[in-house]
Amino acid sequence: NAGVMQNPRHLVRRRGQEARLRCSPMKGHSHVYWYRQLPEEGLKFMVYLQKENIIDESGMPKERFSAEFPKEGPSILRIQQVVRGDSAAYFCASSPRETGSSGANVLTFGAGSRLTVL
Amino acid sequence: QKEVEQDPGPLSVPEGAIVSLNCTYSNSAFQYFMWYRQYSRKGPELLMYTYSSGNKEDGRFTAQVDKSSKYISLFIRDSQPSDSATYLCAMIYTGTASKLTFGTGTRLQVTL
Repeated sequence: NAGVMQNPRHLVRRRGQEARLRCSPMKGHSHVYWYRQLPEEGLKFMVYLQKENIIDESGMPKERFSAEFPKEGPSILRIQQVVRGDSAAYFCASSPRETGSSGANVLTFGAGSRLTVL
Repeated sequence: QKEVEQDPGPLSVPEGAIVSLNCTYSNSAFQYFMWYRQYSRKGPELLMYTYSSGNKEDGRFTAQVDKSSKYISLFIRDSQPSDSATYLCAMIYTGTASKLTFGTGTRLQVTL
């Protein structure tokens, strides 16, 4: 049973280009979360999705960032017109149910996608 | 003020030592408390999960929660070089459903 799969593991973009990060949750997990980890900082929540629905995007920057989790295929985090400040590790996590619900919380993280903006 | 404060370290201890890692938090609504371990260039992996105040033990690891002081701890007994990693505390309160709030992580180095 493969864990949370993220790709690419490393992505280099020039300022102004687009970055697409993909996440395939663990088998049987229908809840996907994206977190960003800046150097020397903890992980910051970005967005929570279920299949075809964005449940909570309160951590997403208002511009240039979007996320989706289509009925078929992986979840995608898209960053348009990247800037140097977007350089970070982006982690995807999945769970079989929403975190915090009774008796639950098994958030399994992927290995991350490291974005470098030149 | 950050919601969750964690000393970034680094913390260096000799093999076999008892390690104490701590976090403080400001939001009394937090109810679920977790410790994650993150090796370099890897994703965080869940070590311990506790609900509300008290202790929980799992092998060499003990998690403690003191809600009255808004303070959580992770103890590692008989530390091993393989324990060298960054340890992240995380917490969540019901109603947010999704947002784990993480500390910045403490980098631990266990030396031979």
